[in-house]
Amino acid sequence: GAGVSQTPSNKVTEKGKYVELRCDPISGHTALYWYRQSLGQGPEFLIYFQGTGAADDSGLPNDRFFAVRPEGSVSTLKIQRTERGDSAVYLCASSLKAGEAFFGQGTRLTVV
Amino acid sequence: RKEVEQDPGPFNVPEGATVAFNCTYSNSASQSFFWYRQDCRKEPKLLMSVYSSGNEDGRFTAQLNRASQYISLLIRDSKLSDSATYLCVVMGNTGKLIFGQGTTLQVKP
Repeated sequence: GAGVSQTPSNKVTEKGKYVELRCDPISGHTALYWYRQSLGQGPEFLIYFQGTGAADDSGLPNDRFFAVRPEGSVSTLKIQRTERGDSAVYLCASSLKAGEAFFGQGTRLTVV
Repeated sequence: RKEVEQDPGPFNVPEGATVAFNCTYSNSASQSFFWYRQDCRKEPKLLMSVYSSGNEDGRFTAQLNRASQYISLLIRDSKLSDSATYLCVVMGNTGKLIFGQGTTLQVKP
């Protein structure tokens, strides 16, 4: 069956621009997670949805980052006024069973 | 202090060796624990859950010590294909999954 799909796979943007990263979870998975990962580091938690609501957004680094999941399925991570330090791989995962998260292949964001 | 701490390694071992990774976590209220595996430039994948009584899956054994807030993963009879980064994961009380930095294993012929 289809896994977690993330688009785009690569995004290059200029400093100061706005970007949107999309995640299509596995059908029926109620939980959805966003992480970002830099080289040599583990995935850094950003936000976690249960259904349409954000159950925990404590990992969002500042108010430039925002995520939505309006119908409890597809989610969009939005980053305003991008900075070079935002460059990373952004990973999305979905889950039906606690702890068993299935990850997409990530979006590699480069801010130049 | 990080919520989940791991020795990043790398651990370089010969094929057939036994290797153990450790992980400590800071939140004593954490309930659920997991090991994930991440191959180079790939996404993380669940390797196994960690139960209080300890659990085994083939060559892999996971153990939890709640008193010391410590989780371990033991790999016996290492294979070349075990080369990867092993991520310790703790579930927070909201359900979020917190990942450690990862420990890199290189198994050499």
